[in-house]
Amino acid sequence: AQKVTQAQTEISVVEKEDVTLDCVYETRDTTYYLFWYKQPPSGELVFLIRRNSFDEQNEISGRYSWNFQKSTSSFNFTITASQVVDSAVYFCALSELHTGKLIFGQGTTLQVKP
Amino acid sequence: SAVISQKPSRDICQRGTSLTIQCQVDSQVTMMFWYRQQPGQSLTLIATANQGSEATYESGFVIDKFPISRPNLTFSTLTVSNMSPEDSSIYLCSVEGGTGAANEQFFGPGTRLTVL
Repeated sequence: AQKVTQAQTEISVVEKEDVTLDCVYETRDTTYYLFWYKQPPSGELVFLIRRNSFDEQNEISGRYSWNFQKSTSSFNFTITASQVVDSAVYFCALSELHTGKLIFGQGTTLQVKP
Repeated sequence: SAVISQKPSRDICQRGTSLTIQCQVDSQVTMMFWYRQQPGQSLTLIATANQGSEATYESGFVIDKFPISRPNLTFSTLTVSNMSPEDSSIYLCSVEGGTGAANEQFFGPGTRLTVL
């Protein structure tokens, strides 16, 4: 069965600290996609990144970076120099390739204090 | 990316009534999905809305409770029938793709439903 685990329920940091959100997944598929979404207090789901299973290169986008390790089935997300506006719930998700369905982790609530 | 709108954005309903939520996309998309997010929880897929045929429901969700329509490639509706307080959730539609974005998935702003 496919499963996504975000073991960190809540993280609290002080502004300017770096923070890493963990994501571990399980799948039998050889081809799949992994996603990260941000859900601020307003409730909308903001797409952050999609990574396909054949591309293990790490990615950096501004203060955000992602580390994909197929050997450990992990897709971790790091925010560098965190800001108060980063406070949100962050979801990691796995996509079934042929159906497009997303399986979500439980979410990690990040609180960045000034 | 696809631009998705949902109506209504929020509603407060009485027990036993039904509410229909609309999802409109600004481009033709193959795959449309409906998710539910109960308070403080993660997102759970309700069903895949298939154009021109019956929706495909996930385990635990049935057509009588959550009828879905998908008359064309840009529009879908989800009805929450015979509501109870346990149906209080955010309901989100999502689409895969859009122009040149296969396997990227975008979400509508959600419909926040409260059932009294």
